Amino acid sequence: ETGVTQTPRHLVMGMTNKKSLKCEQHLGHNAMYWYKQSAKKPLELMFVYSLEERVENNSVPSRFSPECPNSSHLFLHLHTLQPEDSALYLCASSQVPGSNYGYTFGSGTRLTVV
Amino acid sequence: QKEVEQNSGPLSVPEGAIASLNCTYSDRGSQSFFWYRQYSGKSPELIMFIYSNGDKEDGRFTAQLNKASQYVSLLIRDSQPSDSATYLCAVKKTSYDKVIFGPGTSLSVIP
Repeated sequence: ETGVTQTPRHLVMGMTNKKSLKCEQHLGHNAMYWYKQSAKKPLELMFVYSLEERVENNSVPSRFSPECPNSSHLFLHLHTLQPEDSALYLCASSQVPGSNYGYTFGSGTRLTVV
Repeated sequence: QKEVEQNSGPLSVPEGAIASLNCTYSDRGSQSFFWYRQYSGKSPELIMFIYSNGDKEDGRFTAQLNKASQYVSLLIRDSQPSDSATYLCAVKKTSYDKVIFGPGTSLSVIP
């Protein structure tokens, strides 16, 4: 596989569930990101990882917990979410944090909280 | 004032025409500017980036940057129905800074 792969593509979960989103990049990049995209709103940066170290946490509620076990994999653990957390969650990677050559995005996970 | 602003659209142009997409940003220290295209239900993909004032051309796409006016635009020549998508403007201050995305402009190219 090439590029940035996200699983699952769609997820429906109840407010009491615990689930995880997975992202894998095959580009040899050293930085990975989680973004949230809600309808009619700009992409919101959630977390930035550089070489497996979290370098930015954009005031994200603790019900979202990221994990980066290595430079190719990124997880977003979800628990006790709210309906307003329903959105498209996008993973992205770049050669270095804030690369001037832009980011490569995965296909996203469409999350619905019921 | 929002950090990156774009007209939400939809912007409708006939096939073959020039589509002009505009973006303004608030941080005068911004150095790097990006245009992403996002088809409905898909993820954003990078079209172009520009750092210097002036024009940068890539095929049918031309990015224009005017730092004094804090304005960046994307021109699409000979628009095709396949260009119908949402176009996201993104801005970054310096290396290692986070990228700030605008809300996007929806473009519809009418056959």
